[in-house]
Amino acid sequence: EDKVVQSPLSLVVHEGDTVTLNCSYEVTNFRSLLWYKQEKKAPTFLFMLTSSGIEKKSGRLSSILDKKELFSILNITATQTGDSAVYLCAVGVTGTASKLTFGTGTRLQVTL
Amino acid sequence: DSGVTQTPKHLITATGQRVTLRCSPRSGDLSVYWYQQSLDQGLQFLIQYYNGEERAKGNILERFSAQQFPDLHSELNLSSLELGDSALYFCASSVGGYVQETQYFGPGTRLLVL
Repeated sequence: EDKVVQSPLSLVVHEGDTVTLNCSYEVTNFRSLLWYKQEKKAPTFLFMLTSSGIEKKSGRLSSILDKKELFSILNITATQTGDSAVYLCAVGVTGTASKLTFGTGTRLQVTL
Repeated sequence: DSGVTQTPKHLITATGQRVTLRCSPRSGDLSVYWYQQSLDQGLQFLIQYYNGEERAKGNILERFSAQQFPDLHSELNLSSLELGDSALYFCASSVGGYVQETQYFGPGTRLLVL
C-alpha cells in the first residue's frame, strides 16, 4: 500500500524563524511529489517536483526532492504569521491507479 | 480563488439519507477528482473522471458514486449515510488526466451527518 509520512505533525515557531518540513514516501510507480498549503479551506498548490536534486523556489519557500532516499523537504525562511497553515505533501503514482496519495500534513503555527 | 466551484458549502442531513455534491472544474480542465478529508484520516482520494469517463478509483465506498457530465461538471452521490461520512469533501480539477499535473482544489463541501 502506498504510504506518505510527514513530520513533524505540528510545530510552533516565532516569526522570523526558518522551518523545515519533511515528507517521506513508499509508493509504487512514483511520478511526482506535490506540496500544498491548507489554511481554512481548500489546499492551494505550492510546488510540484519530479526530478531529484532540483530545488524549486517561490519567495521564501523552497523545496527539493531526493528520489534515491525517497523524501522531500519544504523550507520556509523568515516565517511570517501568514505562513500558519497545514502543509500537505502528496505523491502521484502512475499505472492502473493513477492517483495522489496525501500525507496527514504538518500543522505550522507562527507566533509573534 | 482556484476557479473550481463546489455546491453546497455546507450540508446537514440524517443517517440513512442520500445527498449529491456538485463540482464545476476550472474552464478548460477535463479531469475532476473527488477527495474526502476527515479529522482522523487526512485527505483521501476517492475517484477521478476524465472527459466523462472514470479514470482512477481510490478509497471510495460502494455507497458512494460519481459521474462527470458532458459539460464536465461532476456530481458525487453519497447514499445510506452514516455518522462516519461526516467530513469535508473536496473536488479538484486539472487540465489532463495525469498525476504530474497540478490539481486545483475547490472550496469544499462540509457534510455533517446527524
